[in-house]
Amino acid sequence: DAKTTQPTSMDCAEGRAANLPCNHSTISGNEYVYWYRQIHSQGPQYIIHGLKNNETNEMASLIITEDRKSSTLILPHATLRDTAVYYCIVRGGSGYSTLTFGKGTMLLVSP
Amino acid sequence: KAGVTQTPRYLIKTRGQQVTLSCSPISGHRSVSWYQQTPGQGLQFLFEYFSETQRNKGNFPGRFSGRQFSNSRSEMNVSTLELGDSALYLCASSWTAASGELFFGEGSRLTVL
Repeated sequence: DAKTTQPTSMDCAEGRAANLPCNHSTISGNEYVYWYRQIHSQGPQYIIHGLKNNETNEMASLIITEDRKSSTLILPHATLRDTAVYYCIVRGGSGYSTLTFGKGTMLLVSP
Repeated sequence: KAGVTQTPRYLIKTRGQQVTLSCSPISGHRSVSWYQQTPGQGLQFLFEYFSETQRNKGNFPGRFSGRQFSNSRSEMNVSTLELGDSALYLCASSWTAASGELFFGEGSRLTVL
């Protein structure tokens, strides 16, 4: 699976959009981009995933660049409960459910 | 619908002992994976099971083992505990064997003294 690079930490004001970037310049054609988050002392939570088209669900939007070398997770109206570590994971069609987690981005949402 | 249930939530052991952790997946999920989380190494994959078969294994010593039962419940065992085994052990389940959408439990926090 391709390696990802994320900023160590980010801040966001409550009510504003949080835009979390991820670089995955070595991604290959059959690899998906997954986003998970982990709120302190809880298990990771799936957010969204995509291949090349932009995706949106009730939690977030995922924007993948045309060359697929980077992506951005957007939380449109961040709340204090969105404070968490966000993991960007690139995962291919290995036939396994295995996820390779990096260090992620610590997002701090402040009042 | 109940989520992934892990027991026990907290436990304390001493070096040399062994421990068994249990995981009940979401009803209908047949794939179960285990991860270890430590401050130094982050989240690391241990094993993945589907239909009672171990399909994938991470880079951990043989002291770490697991199994899955016919009802999809899973257990993992760590023998001859070391101080470095202190960690949060997370179980995740999914519908299928190759799904990237995993549902995690809240973990079992193991402290080795």
